[in-house]
Amino acid sequence: AQSVAQPEDQVNVAEGNPLTVKCTYSVSGNPYLFWYVQYPNRGLQFLLKYITGDNLVKGSYGFEAEFNKSQTSFHLKKPSALVSDSALYFCAVRDFNAGKSTFGDGTTLTVKP
Amino acid sequence: GAGVSQSPRYKVAKRGQDVALRCDPISGHVSLFWYQQALGQGPEFLTYFQNEAQLDKSGLPSDRFFAERPEGSVSTLKIQRTQQEDSAVYLCASSHFGDTGELFFGEGSRLTVL
Repeated sequence: AQSVAQPEDQVNVAEGNPLTVKCTYSVSGNPYLFWYVQYPNRGLQFLLKYITGDNLVKGSYGFEAEFNKSQTSFHLKKPSALVSDSALYFCAVRDFNAGKSTFGDGTTLTVKP
Repeated sequence: GAGVSQSPRYKVAKRGQDVALRCDPISGHVSLFWYQQALGQGPEFLTYFQNEAQLDKSGLPSDRFFAERPEGSVSTLKIQRTQQEDSAVYLCASSHFGDTGELFFGEGSRLTVL
């Protein structure tokens, strides 16, 4: 079985400050890891993914994520937050043996001016 | 269209009614997924198709839920004898063939059962 934990329901940061949204995972095999963002009344949008290779992955809108195998983590980061980054963020894991992705419960990011 | 299209966007049903939710995936995407998203929670897996074959239906909560994709393109999620606990947003997603592909989501169908 595969699972994802996002330990923080809410993350608040000031505009211009760095942000981190945490994610830990559990899978039986090699993980494929994803971050998605959801704006109000919209579907989820893909941000970035880790499949293999470099542990630091860069994605859309200046976001990046660091894969840490020993800590089974895949935290989302951005060096300088924007007010427009305020949204709901979901981490997801996909086992290479399974078709489905398993999502965390989401973290609401609020960036204040 | 360029993205995943779902209809209806909003559906209100009386308890006991049957509903059908439609998903039109991105052209050429082999894999299609249905998820259920309750308020304040992450999407929960319902079922998965590769072309017309339903490879995993382990997430369907009861035998009142049924999904099909007869020609490997458009998919329909049907809920029979709806109950209040079925109220949720139903998300459809498609992806390129293979396990490494990211999901492309539609905007969802919000079902409210009265």
